[in-house]
Amino acid sequence: GNSVTQMEGPVTLSEEAFLTINCTYTATGYPSLFWYVQYPGEGLQLLLKATKADDKGSNKGFEATYRKETTSFHLEKGSVQVSDSAVYFCDPNQGGKLIFGQGTELSVKP
Amino acid sequence: GAVVSQHPSRVICKSGTSVKIECRSLDFQATTMFWYRQFPKQSLMLMATSNEGSKATYEQGVEKDKFLINHASLTLSTLTVTSAHPEDSSFYICSASGGGYLYEQYFGPGTRLTVT
Repeated sequence: GNSVTQMEGPVTLSEEAFLTINCTYTATGYPSLFWYVQYPGEGLQLLLKATKADDKGSNKGFEATYRKETTSFHLEKGSVQVSDSAVYFCDPNQGGKLIFGQGTELSVKP
Repeated sequence: GAVVSQHPSRVICKSGTSVKIECRSLDFQATTMFWYRQFPKQSLMLMATSNEGSKATYEQGVEKDKFLINHASLTLSTLTVTSAHPEDSSFYICSASGGGYLYEQYFGPGTRLTVT
């Protein structure tokens, strides 16, 4: 079945720093790739997605590119804000339950 | 985007009582719904998968007689925590999938259960 390896947190950055959260996956076939975000005290919500190779998902300044050759979907943001502090989950999905691990906690300091 | 609601958002109940949590897809038909629980500072843990009109599939270690799941329609699934105990206190989140190519899931806002 599908699996994912995600950068361990917590990741602590200063405001306006560059962010990369690595995500690599194993899958049979071609999954759709998702990043979900969970802000403190809230449920999960979709951050961005990509459905085929070389697609770039983007939202709220975050980007991730579907890299089939490296089976990766790294999350990046050029300048983080305090409000980006949350837990981020990468999910390679071909239907069914979410495939994610512990998530990566991001803490942005002013 | 698709919206999933959960009700109630918070509930406090006494030990030994039962609590029902509803999960509704508001603007799409959810062929599959998932129930998760989350402990503080932990990742989500899948409890069960439910498909409309059929029995839920429970993950290993989850007591199906304690956590009753009903998916009676394409827009509603319920989770009933029976004979709740303090250790059942947790954040419960549902998600819904309409199936199809994208496999995208839509999450409810979660329900905070506190058992006293």
